[in-house]
Amino acid sequence: AQSVAQPEDQVNVAEGNPLTVKCTYSVSGNPYLFWYVQYPNRGLQFLLKYITGDNLVKGSYGFEAEFNKSQTSFHLKKPSALVSDSALYFCAVRVSFVSSGTYKYIFGTGTRLKVLA
Amino acid sequence: NAGVMQNPRHLVRRRGQEARLRCSPMKGHSHVYWYRQLPEEGLKFMVYLQKENIIDESGMPKERFSAEFPKEGPSILRIQQVVRGDSAAYFCASSSGTGMGTEAFFGQGTRLTVV
Repeated sequence: AQSVAQPEDQVNVAEGNPLTVKCTYSVSGNPYLFWYVQYPNRGLQFLLKYITGDNLVKGSYGFEAEFNKSQTSFHLKKPSALVSDSALYFCAVRVSFVSSGTYKYIFGTGTRLKVLA
Repeated sequence: NAGVMQNPRHLVRRRGQEARLRCSPMKGHSHVYWYRQLPEEGLKFMVYLQKENIIDESGMPKERFSAEFPKEGPSILRIQQVVRGDSAAYFCASSSGTGMGTEAFFGQGTRLTVV
């Protein structure tokens, strides 16, 4: 089954330290991977995506993500965390279904990032 | 260019009533997705629609739930005879086309509370 896994429910990091939010995927064919952030009582905001090309993808608010095909991972990173980065982060993959010609976004369960001052 | 618009933002219904959630996609987007988010849980796919067509409804409960995306007007997610377990945040997302690298844009969500 095609899926996305976020193994950590919560990640705590001190302000100024680097942060990593983990994501692994299982898809057939080429993966199209996305990261979204959700602030309290808000919708999801797009952060970045990997389609093809350079394995290191840069996105909004200083975030970046590294695509690793051999480890089937797409971890979200930031060199120096801010308190304002505290939010819920979702990894997603877009999958297509050849038999029906449809596609959809499959989301992980989310990781709550808490940046401590 | 306005983003994805959902209304109402908050909806309270008594058990047994109907809930109607509306979603206007971004201008130029013809693909709409509905997701449900339960407290402290991730996003669960419900249904994928294009104009006038349901493409994938594999995540929709078999009873009481329906969705439409008419030629004119917003997409509607309808929940009949609501129960307490339907209380959740319902998010709509839209995208522009079939390109696999196209990201989806989300609305602010409708928070349904069934009392």
